[in-house]
Amino acid sequence: DTAVSQTPKYLVTQMGNDKSIKCEQNLGHDTMYWYKQDSKKFLKIMFSYNNKELIINETVPNRFSPKSPDKAHLNLHINSLELGDSAVYFCASSQATSQYEQYFGPGTRLTVT
Amino acid sequence: AQSVAQPEDQVNVAEGNPLTVKCTYSVSGNPYLFWYVQYPNRGLQFLLKYITGDNLVKGSYGFEAEFNKSQTSFHLKKPSALVSDSALYFCAVRDIINDYKLSFGAGTTVTVRA
Repeated sequence: DTAVSQTPKYLVTQMGNDKSIKCEQNLGHDTMYWYKQDSKKFLKIMFSYNNKELIINETVPNRFSPKSPDKAHLNLHINSLELGDSAVYFCASSQATSQYEQYFGPGTRLTVT
Repeated sequence: AQSVAQPEDQVNVAEGNPLTVKCTYSVSGNPYLFWYVQYPNRGLQFLLKYITGDNLVKGSYGFEAEFNKSQTSFHLKKPSALVSDSALYFCAVRDIINDYKLSFGAGTTVTVRA
């Protein structure tokens, strides 16, 4: 069974469109995250939810909006896509306290043309 | 602010030789340190962590890391590298202010040649 899954795996879209990426974890974790990995492989946290409550909200354009319908799901909606949004987006989850490691999904490669 | 530095972009070793991937940290207070590995077109996988206790931490796939407080380092090591260890390795540190936030290093690409 896949622990952290994301859909879609690849997403190719045009500038100005709106798109969503979905994430689900079956590990029973309380905390979920969205990361962005750029073309140089640099990894940066975007958002985190703990029991459906937003706990990390980094400096990310308002066009990005996370939604957590329950603690097993965390979705990322992106409005008015721009060329610079092209990246790989990773979802991750962990248990509630900071000493625990994070488990990552396989990533969604977003290409904006 | 908490941060980690991985001073080497690339590390190249021959199969069977020891492998070391370097990481230094800057943290106020006690650090929680992690190593992750990313294989091509895959998500990150957890290797090991240092929270407290023994300075030598053993992890997955034969990897270990030594926490050195005086040198503020947490180097990843493997006594005998395999070709399959070729991947991108990330060091990370927990943020002191926001417990859930991890700050990642820039990554080190390891290439193990047969």
